[in-house]
Amino acid sequence: NAGVMQNPRHLVRRRGQEARLRCSPMKGHSHVYWYRQLPEEGLKFMVYLQKENIIDESGMPKERFSAEFPKEGPSILRIQQVVRGDSAAYFCASSSRQGFNEQYFGPGTRLTVT
Amino acid sequence: AQKVTQAQTEISVVEKEDVTLDCVYETRDTTYYLFWYKQPPSGELVFLIRRNSFDEQNEISGRYSWNFQKSTSSFNFTITASQVVDSAVYFCALSEAPSGGYQKVTFGTGTKLQVIP
Repeated sequence: NAGVMQNPRHLVRRRGQEARLRCSPMKGHSHVYWYRQLPEEGLKFMVYLQKENIIDESGMPKERFSAEFPKEGPSILRIQQVVRGDSAAYFCASSSRQGFNEQYFGPGTRLTVT
Repeated sequence: AQKVTQAQTEISVVEKEDVTLDCVYETRDTTYYLFWYKQPPSGELVFLIRRNSFDEQNEISGRYSWNFQKSTSSFNFTITASQVVDSAVYFCALSEAPSGGYQKVTFGTGTKLQVIP
């Protein structure tokens, strides 16, 4: 399966814990996007990364959230000291190059904060 | 700034009825892409169609058809002879011309379709 992979698919964290969400882009893709879907809402852009670079993080909350896409390995979305409002589905998408190029979405990670 | 409006929050139809999901968008760009995605109860996003702003031809794929009208900034989606398996949330989305070499996709809030047997 050469699709975008995300893990875990479901993640439960207590308030104050850290959440780490992983995204492995499609083979050959070096551009990764993260989106968040709050309950009953559409997806909202969070951050765009290329290998080792954050290009646009205009949609990321200013505190507690960070993202990386290292030279080797998956992209990581990290949420520190989670709160109930962070409960959402987090989708990752990848594309093969810049410009107008289709983004392929992963299955999402559903984060529940208890 | 780009915006996508899906005014229908929820729609219920009886199986075999036709149903149209509305999508209206706003953009200042002349070059852009429009998309429809399906999100079944399992939660993943299923890509249905991509249409660029220069192609106003309507498209039909089996029971699905799309009507793109630039004059009214609309990209409506019709399911003919609906089936229970069509029950899902459907998202319309817009991607403007790349800024800085990449594109951000803006999603509507979705229309939840329930097909009753």
